[in-house]
Amino acid sequence: EIVLTQSPGTLSLSPGERATLSCRASQSVTNAYLAWYQQRPGQAPRLLIYGASYRVTGTPDRFSGSGSGTDFTLTISRLEPEDFAVYYCQQYSRSPLTFGQGTKVEIK
Amino acid sequence: EMRLVESGGGLVQPGGSLTLSCAVSGFTVSDNYLTWVRQPPGKGLEWVSLIYSGGSTFYADSVKGRFTISRDNSMNTLYLQMNNLRPEDTAVYYCASFAPAGLQTTNPQGWFDPWGQGTLVTVSS
Repeated sequence: EIVLTQSPGTLSLSPGERATLSCRASQSVTNAYLAWYQQRPGQAPRLLIYGASYRVTGTPDRFSGSGSGTDFTLTISRLEPEDFAVYYCQQYSRSPLTFGQGTKVEIK
Repeated sequence: EMRLVESGGGLVQPGGSLTLSCAVSGFTVSDNYLTWVRQPPGKGLEWVSLIYSGGSTFYADSVKGRFTISRDNSMNTLYLQMNNLRPEDTAVYYCASFAPAGLQTTNPQGWFDPWGQGTLVTVSS
């Protein structure tokens, strides 16, 4: 099983600041088969990015994903109030499909 | 617009059974891959089960032999039959459409989009 470790656990930032979230895999994630999700309080997760860097329709361009192998990053260039949420990475390189434990982006 | 609505959650005693439903609109269950993902209260996400359009099914080791995923094409509904429930099965259960990354084999590869709003299952005496 591929274990995904996200860091930091909590990121305290102010609106307008840049957020950098890390997702590290215990084994190589082939073909950059990694997705990112956003979960706001009381809501279901929402897909933001797949294939490590491809934004889905509706994902603002302030969100960007990068990385390969075992190290992946989600960057939010300038935080908007609606971006304060929990973010999860998910690998689909190898079964079972697994998620990271999440990074909470909170208002400082 | 693709929409998924779960129902059937509730309180059940350890060892009991429960069946969750996921009513789908905007697409047909028979032509798509569908999945269940759960989230224990205050914790992260765990993939539970997946069904291919061709009918092949897959399960996480934690539920294998206890949970069964199925669908009713006439009702356009996905199900999760859960037997021998344990306290550690307590979670919000989400159904989601599974977007395959490529040709699917015995190694499911893809992401989850969109998701339903979830239904809470509590296993407790």
